[in-house]
Amino acid sequence: NAGVTQTPKFRILKIGQSMTLQCTQDMNHNYMYWYRQDPGMGLKLIYYSVGAGITDKGEVPNGYNVSRSTTEDFPLRLELAAPSQTSVYFCASRINGGAREAQYFGPGTRLTVL
Amino acid sequence: AQTVTQSQPEMSVQEAETVTLSCTYDTSENNYYLFWYKQPPSRQMILVIRQEAYKQQNATENRFSVNFQKAAKSFSLKISDSQLGDTAMYFCAFVDTSGTYKYIFGTGTRLKVLA
Repeated sequence: NAGVTQTPKFRILKIGQSMTLQCTQDMNHNYMYWYRQDPGMGLKLIYYSVGAGITDKGEVPNGYNVSRSTTEDFPLRLELAAPSQTSVYFCASRINGGAREAQYFGPGTRLTVL
Repeated sequence: AQTVTQSQPEMSVQEAETVTLSCTYDTSENNYYLFWYKQPPSRQMILVIRQEAYKQQNATENRFSVNFQKAAKSFSLKISDSQLGDTAMYFCAFVDTSGTYKYIFGTGTRLKVLA
């Protein structure tokens, strides 16, 4: 299993540009999450999904959109990029319950908005 | 509201020594999981250890063990025989089993292992 994969690894955007951060997991997990981590800080939840077709906002959803058309994929869309969106973005999937309960993270996407 | 608090922003330990990282949490739920995640300079978030609240026995994973005190809502991580590769940010996390899907993360403790 590749686990959780994210593309791209790095990206520089200009203010006002848009992009999609890709996230794919091959573990058949129903739950998926997007976090951002600002320098020296902890994780903030942007959006999450409990299954295909179901998404919900986290604590910092403004400026972002998500979709979940398949179990495997959970892309994050940035519209009209702003310098405040400069951050490292992590996607995670979750195995729910039992002895294996945990979130499993992708390697992250480092985004800079100039 | 559920909260996770890590009161030690930074710690250091000599190689081969033992260090304990602290975490406290607040919840009214009885069934939940607690975790420690490690984030080395590579930024990858790595699961270190998991504790199920209904289990009284403290979880262990090789050199990593926890001291889970449910009544006190305390969940500390002990790293024995510290190695240079243990240098990382460590996050404590919580999720309840009542149907809330969100993990609650602490603010992290930056651990530096000194040669």
